[in-house]
Amino acid sequence: GDSVTQMEGPVTLSEEAFLTINCTYTATGYPSLFWYVQYPGEGLQLLLKATKADDKGSNKGFEATYRKETTSFHLEKGSVQVSDSAVYFCARHAGGTSYGKLTFGQGTILTVHP
Amino acid sequence: DAGVTQSPTHLIKTRGQQVTLRCSPKSGHDTVSWYQQALGQGPQFIFQYYEEEERQRGNFPDRFSGHQFPNYSSELNVNALLLGDSALYLCASSLAGGLGETQYFGPGTRLLVL
Repeated sequence: GDSVTQMEGPVTLSEEAFLTINCTYTATGYPSLFWYVQYPGEGLQLLLKATKADDKGSNKGFEATYRKETTSFHLEKGSVQVSDSAVYFCARHAGGTSYGKLTFGQGTILTVHP
Repeated sequence: DAGVTQSPTHLIKTRGQQVTLRCSPKSGHDTVSWYQQALGQGPQFIFQYYEEEERQRGNFPDRFSGHQFPNYSSELNVNALLLGDSALYLCASSLAGGLGETQYFGPGTRLLVL
């Protein structure tokens, strides 16, 4: 079935460090891919998305490229800030004209120290 | 432009009771999905409503039921509450037929079952 696998966490970085959070997905069909961020005590906020192979989603300095050949959608940021501390979720949707559920990874906790 | 709203924000119930959670979608959206997020986990899809009907369901028992109203708002009902139902319940709205069906989340209702 559909699944998303994220790198084990938590991830702890110093401010201005480079961030990578790995995400791989099952290749069934033509999925759309998403990164969501969850701050403490809050719901999920859409961070970025990509709907087809080789698309690059970007927002607030974060980027992720839809790699069909490696079934990956890794999240990157060149210089993290303390305010980026949160839980990051990779998610998959069947895409195209399909309706229905998002399948989420288990989440990666990011802590950024000054 | 109001985003997705949910009520109540917090709720405490005892085992065996019933609970109703409410969700108003983002303006212009017609589809509502519900997710359960246990502590430290990614959200799990419960079901999705469109045109006042349940059109997809995840792996949840019949104790979980829902409804969508003509104004697109939605309710999630859980009967015979179990301790394991304690979680953050997230509502997400989207526009049917949108590419990749991007879902926007509310802040969630935190349910504690004692």
